[in-house]
This record gives sequence, C-alpha cells and structure tokens, in this order.
Amino acid sequence: DSGVTQTPKHLITATGQRVTLRCSPRSGDLSVYWYQQSLDQGLQFLIQYYNGEERAKGNILERFSAQQFPDLHSELNLSSLELGDSALYFCASSGGEWVTDTQYFGPGTRLTVL
Amino acid sequence: GQNIDQPTEMTATEGAIVQINCTYQTSGFNGLFWYQQHAGEAPTFLSYNVLDGLEEKGRFSSFLSRSKGYSYLLLKELQMKDSASYLCAVNSGGYQKVTFGTGTKLQVIP
Repeated sequence: DSGVTQTPKHLITATGQRVTLRCSPRSGDLSVYWYQQSLDQGLQFLIQYYNGEERAKGNILERFSAQQFPDLHSELNLSSLELGDSALYFCASSGGEWVTDTQYFGPGTRLTVL
Repeated sequence: GQNIDQPTEMTATEGAIVQINCTYQTSGFNGLFWYQQHAGEAPTFLSYNVLDGLEEKGRFSSFLSRSKGYSYLLLKELQMKDSASYLCAVNSGGYQKVTFGTGTKLQVIP
C-alpha cells in the first residue's frame, strides 16, 4: 500500500459525458501527478500539481483539466468523453516539487467509455 | 519529438541475469527513469539516472550513456516475482516533461 488513494476504483460511462476522478496523496506529500495508461498508447504523464499550483504539463488534452485543493487532494476532470479515453488513470504523489522525486502511485481508476 | 525504444518481451530463467535495454532520442535530456509494473498494478519507481555510469541498488542496477542515448536495467539473481513490465521513461525539457517507452514484459521461468 503506497498511501495514495484514488476513487472510484472503476467507472463506466457513455461518450459525451463528464467524470471526475479523485486522488488523495500520501500524508505530507505536496505534489500530485496524473497519468493515463491505455493499451495502445502506454503510460502517459498528464500533469503535475505542487502545493496547489500547476508545476508541469504533459500530454493532457484540452478536454481534461485538473486541480489541487488546499487540503492537497486532487481531482482530474474528463469531459466530452470519447471511446479512446477508456484507460487506467493513475495518480502519484511525492514530497517535493520535482518530477525526479520518488513518486508513489495509487491503485488507479479504470475508466470505461461505452 | 521523442523516440523511446525498448524490446517488447523478454524471457529469462530464475537465478539468471537479464539486461533490458532502452534507447532514446530527445532534446533537452534531463534524466531517465526505470519503473517496474506488475500486471494489473501501479508502477513502482526503480531508479533515476542523470549522469553517465552504473548505479546499483541491490539486485537491480541501471546504466546510462547520455552520448549514446542508451540505458539498460540489469536484474541479477532473477526471482519469479520479477516477472513484470519494465518501463523506461525520459525526463526532458524545461517543464520536466516525462515520456514513457512502451515497456518490456519480462517473463521469468523456472
């Protein structure tokens, strides 16, 4: 158990819908990272927040957005969902602000878009 | 753009040594990660190399050659539990962009 929690574990929805994935980092960690892992594209870094501020950005689509709240939990919002958004979404956390800090991954949220 | 290549699959025998290679082409290279991911589970950090050379951590070692755009992960005294996918990822650019390879699925056989 990494100490990072993600909810929900599974999510099934339809195309065009909007969903919110939630992540609680390990106690004391200030950075939260979001990743998408699909069969055809592999693991992709989406975005990092550090202490409430966006710190680094990867291949995040404009339909996707994220934020980190004052209590340091983070939410990833996915809108206008497409079939290709079906994937495993991981959240990770680390103590520092750099992507090179050791990241601890949560168990993931499996999103299925029908 | 970025290009990261790893073998898709490898098989090795319990107790043996295996080397998983990763080659990359990128601009603004900062460093290279190795992650282990068991089927159905989250990735686990193994190593991060910035400078050329070999870094050893127990049974796992990681090597980097920046001039050649090449890294490898060396696993010694293989155990059945080492059966997993091994992902190499490159950190590049001023915004610390991280790009993952497609991973190498390692099967350890008795």
